[in-house]
Amino acid sequence: NAGVMQNPRHLVRRRGQEARLRCSPMKGHSHVYWYRQLPEEGLKFMVYLQKENIIDESGMPKERFSAEFPKEGPSILRIQQVVRGDSAAYFCASSPELSYGYTFGSGTRLTVV
Amino acid sequence: DQQVKQNSPSLSVQEGRISILNCDYTNSMFDYFLWYKKYPAEGPTFLISISSIKDKNEDGRFTVFLNKSAKHLSLHIVPSQPGDSAVYFCAASLTGNQFYFGTGTSLTVIP
Repeated sequence: NAGVMQNPRHLVRRRGQEARLRCSPMKGHSHVYWYRQLPEEGLKFMVYLQKENIIDESGMPKERFSAEFPKEGPSILRIQQVVRGDSAAYFCASSPELSYGYTFGSGTRLTVV
Repeated sequence: DQQVKQNSPSLSVQEGRISILNCDYTNSMFDYFLWYKKYPAEGPTFLISISSIKDKNEDGRFTVFLNKSAKHLSLHIVPSQPGDSAVYFCAASLTGNQFYFGTGTSLTVIP
């Protein structure tokens, strides 16, 4: 029973490029959450999605960031025209329903050079 | 605006002794609190939780205490073991949609 799978584990992008981060939730989980951890900070909520729907994106930056969770396939967090300040660890979590106890993936560490 | 605060970035404890990690929050509407443990290069792992209707929850060596009037949460680990060395995050939620995380406390248990 695989846990929450995130890939890639490490991603290096030059300023101005696009970054795509993928998250496959645990089997049977239909709720996905994305969090970002900047250096020396705690995890900050970005977005909560269910299949094909964005439920709460109150933590997403207004520009350049988007997220989707299609009917088939993983959830994708997309960052367009990356800047140095986007360098962070991005964690995905999933739960079987709206739940207090969700499971995190190992994260994707994005470095913008 | 940091709604959940962990004011001690690090803590060192001798093996066998008690580790006490503290967390303060500002929003009295939070109704659920959790502690996560995180090793380097891994995602956070759920450790223990407590609902706002309780003031204590115990699971083996781990006990979480909630003082609602003080808006304060603490995690006690006793006895501490070297394998407990990790970063501990407290988190609070209003609705279950999203959690507000503290900045973490790095615990080192010295053998």
